This record gives sequence, structure tokens and C-alpha cells, in this order.
Amino acid sequence: DGGITQSPKYLFRKEGQNVTLSCEQNLNHDAMYWYRQDPGQGLRLIYYSQIVNDFQKGDIAEGYSVSREKKESFPLTVTSAQKNPTAFYLCASSSTSRDRWGETQYFGPGTRLLVL
Amino acid sequence: SQQGEEDPQALSIQEGENATMNCSYKTSINNLQWYRQNSGRGLVHLILIRSNEREKHSGRLRVTLDTSKKSSSLLITASRAADTASYFCAIYPYNQGGKLIFGQGTELSVKP
Repeated sequence: DGGITQSPKYLFRKEGQNVTLSCEQNLNHDAMYWYRQDPGQGLRLIYYSQIVNDFQKGDIAEGYSVSREKKESFPLTVTSAQKNPTAFYLCASSSTSRDRWGETQYFGPGTRLLVL
Repeated sequence: SQQGEEDPQALSIQEGENATMNCSYKTSINNLQWYRQNSGRGLVHLILIRSNEREKHSGRLRVTLDTSKKSSSLLITASRAADTASYFCAIYPYNQGGKLIFGQGTELSVKP
């Protein structure tokens, strides 16, 4: 069953704590993305990765970090430097063949992060 | 801002009616995509229309693109209660390294 999974579904963060959101895909996609969605808003890009061991900052990278050690995995860490982390976090992946860059993105079910 | 601006922000219709959502943008694009999001879920891709295409159909969905006006519309015909969701347009601008830029979305409510 091909797809993209995120865990956990809900995550609670205490003040000063770093938390890590998991994203795994078995679609054999090169590119992976992390978005943040606030209530009633669109998606804002946090980080993206076009290939293993490489990633770029998106529009709102401050307070977040990522790694891309495996093609299938792109975990996102929300650090204590992110002062307003409460949001819905979405991971996505896409194919990046030369003439099909920017094609359809496939999304995971999301992780809702709440601050205690 | 390069992002898609969607109109209306919210739309409420009766089952069986058609729903039209609009998206405008400000930059040259490679393609424009429409996604659907049910409450509390991830996004699902609906349709991709390229800059050299004017209209595309998929089942009850019809998307138009007018690059001269930098606008697109999504029409859902014969709507059903199950179509209730948020709908987002996303543009893929040229020279953006593969990044999609999402609009704020239109919240569609279809009443039975």
C-alpha cells in the first residue's frame, strides 16, 4: 500500500522542549516538504528537500530543523526557539524527474501540535 | 505576494447546485493545481492544469485557466454533501525550485 504517513497524530509540547514529527513515504519520491497550517489559513512552507542529504529553508524555517538521511524519511524538529508552535503540520512528497518538477504533491494525514 | 488569492473565502450551497471557486495570482506559472482538504485531514490532489492549457475536466470537476488574466476557476457540478471541504489552489511559478505556493482556500459547505 503506497503512501505517506505521519506520526503522531497529536503531539503535546511543554515549554522549552524540542519535539520531532515523523514523516515517511514509500512512493519512491525524491522530494519531500513540510508545511505549517494555522486555523483558516493556507499552507506555509517550512523546509523542503529535493534529494537525500540536502534540504532548503522555506518561508518560515526559523525555530525548525530537519534532516534527510534516507529517501523515505524527512523528520521535522520543532525547537524551543519556535515561540508559537501550535499548528497543524503537513508533510508531502513529489516526484522530481527533469521535465515534471513541480508536479502533484502527495500529503500525509498531518500532525496537530499543541503546547501545554 | 505571489500566492493564489481565492474567492470566495466561504461558500454555502444546497445539494445539487453547482459550486464555483476562483483563484487569482500575480506571477508567471508553469502549472496551477487544485487540492481538497477535509476537516483535520491532509490535502488531496484534484487537478493539475498547465500554463498552455485552458480547460480540464475530471468527473464532476471542471478547471479553467486564463493566463492573460492570471486567474483560474474550479467548478463542481451537481454538488453533494460529501463535497463539503476546503479547496486550495496552488501555483507552481517559474524559477521557484519546485515550490508550490498555496492560496488561503475556499471553505465549501454543501447542505443536504
